[in-house]
Amino acid sequence: GAGVSQTPSNKVTEKGKYVELRCDPISGHTALYWYRQSLGQGPEFLIYFQGTGAADDSGLPNDRFFAVRPEGSVSTLKIQRTERGDSAVYLCASSSRGHTEAFFGQGTRLTVV
Amino acid sequence: AQSVTQLDSQVPVFEEAPVELRCNYSSSVSVYLFWYVQYPNQGLQLLLKYLSGSTLVKGINGFEAEFNKSQTSFHLRKPSVHISDTAEYFCAVSDQSGSGGGADGLTFGKGTHLIIQP
Repeated sequence: GAGVSQTPSNKVTEKGKYVELRCDPISGHTALYWYRQSLGQGPEFLIYFQGTGAADDSGLPNDRFFAVRPEGSVSTLKIQRTERGDSAVYLCASSSRGHTEAFFGQGTRLTVV
Repeated sequence: AQSVTQLDSQVPVFEEAPVELRCNYSSSVSVYLFWYVQYPNQGLQLLLKYLSGSTLVKGINGFEAEFNKSQTSFHLRKPSVHISDTAEYFCAVSDQSGSGGGADGLTFGKGTHLIIQP
């Protein structure tokens, strides 16, 4: 596609439920990033993939959060046993290896009620 | 580890006036520097970036920024703002030693909301 696509754009879930957020990067981009943006804050790094592997997952807040990128393209961020504090906009970005610009999707707004 | 400080959470400016949005960073290693803009209900868009070379960097929409290593600053400026510049502006840094060539793991500031008054 022309840009980074994230689905769904909005997700409302009940506390304790499991959710999956999808990111479809720009075709050919080998690097993929997930960020979380809470209200009134800047984006916070969660995890970085180079190809299929997670090169840096130091930003994942706890073991309820997990992300995969099995074929080196689409990535899924998975959150188990959601909590109200997980409510935020989850941003995905992609870039070409060796390039310094990351292109961002419009995000998924997750609301845990 | 890096950190980014944007001292002003909101900056109100009259239309056609100049503006400066301040950004200071802290890092134990060399970094790349970025400014992103987020218009209402849209994703982040890169305004400009500093990688190396000239410390004055020009970006899109008439914005420019100057890297000052001694003051660890990367302030964003525009000589004359327009109503369409109303948005949230984020300063960000990344570690130059990242294997992805500098786009790895951006550390963002909290953002500055630029409000243009007619």
